[in-house]
Amino acid sequence: QQQVKQSPQSLIVQKGGISIINCAYENTAFDYFPWYQQFPGKGPALLIAIRPDVSEKKEGRFTISFNKSAKQFSLHIMDSQPGDSATYFCAAGSSNTGKLIFGQGTTLQVKP
Amino acid sequence: DAGVIQSPRHEVTEMGQEVTLRCKPISGHNSLFWYRQTMMRGLELLIYFNNNVPIDDSGMPEDRFSAKMPNASFSTLKIQPSEPRDSAVYFCASSLSGGAFFGQGTRLTVV
Repeated sequence: QQQVKQSPQSLIVQKGGISIINCAYENTAFDYFPWYQQFPGKGPALLIAIRPDVSEKKEGRFTISFNKSAKQFSLHIMDSQPGDSATYFCAAGSSNTGKLIFGQGTTLQVKP
Repeated sequence: DAGVIQSPRHEVTEMGQEVTLRCKPISGHNSLFWYRQTMMRGLELLIYFNNNVPIDDSGMPEDRFSAKMPNASFSTLKIQPSEPRDSAVYFCASSLSGGAFFGQGTRLTVV
C-alpha cells in the first residue's frame, strides 16, 4: 500500500515536444503529490506539487494532472528543451510531515 | 538561504569501518529525512524526525545503521560496521510542510 509506480523508465523527446510521465499510488491517505527533478551529481529538486482537491496545476511549462478516483497523476512538460534532460521522480505522501514515498524515476532525454 | 548542507560530499572507506554522515537542515524546518539512493532500489526513506524526535525508522536496513538529531540544526547518520552493499548516495532533506528540500548528498563507497 506504500508503493508509488512510475512509468516510463526512460523517455526520449524531440525539442519542442511534450514529455509525459505517469505515476500511480495505492494509499488513499496520501494528500501531497510532488514531482522532483534531479541532475547528475545533484540532489532532487522540488519542481511542482499538487494536493488532491484540485485536478490540475500549471507552473510555466510544467503541468500536473491529477485523477483522484484512479489514484493516478502525471507530469506534462510542454515545449521540452534540452536543458530539461534529467531524471524525474514522482512522490506521494503527507502534507503534514513531508514524509514521501518516491517512484522509481524516469530518465528524460530531450534531443536538439 | 544556504539550503540543506551535507558533509562530506564523498566518502571512501574500508569494510568494517565506522562512517558518519552529517546534515544541517534549513533553518526553521521541523522535519528531517534521511534517504538512500541506489540504481537498484531508487530513493528509499531510511528515517525521519519531527521536532528532533525520530518518528519512523522502519526504513533503516539493519542495526548497523543509526541516526540522531541532537538539536534542530544538526543530524547524523552512522553506519557501524560498514559493508560494501552500503555503497550509495545518502541524502538528507528537510521540510516545514509539504515538499521536502534535499541536500547535495554524500556519495559513500565502501571497499
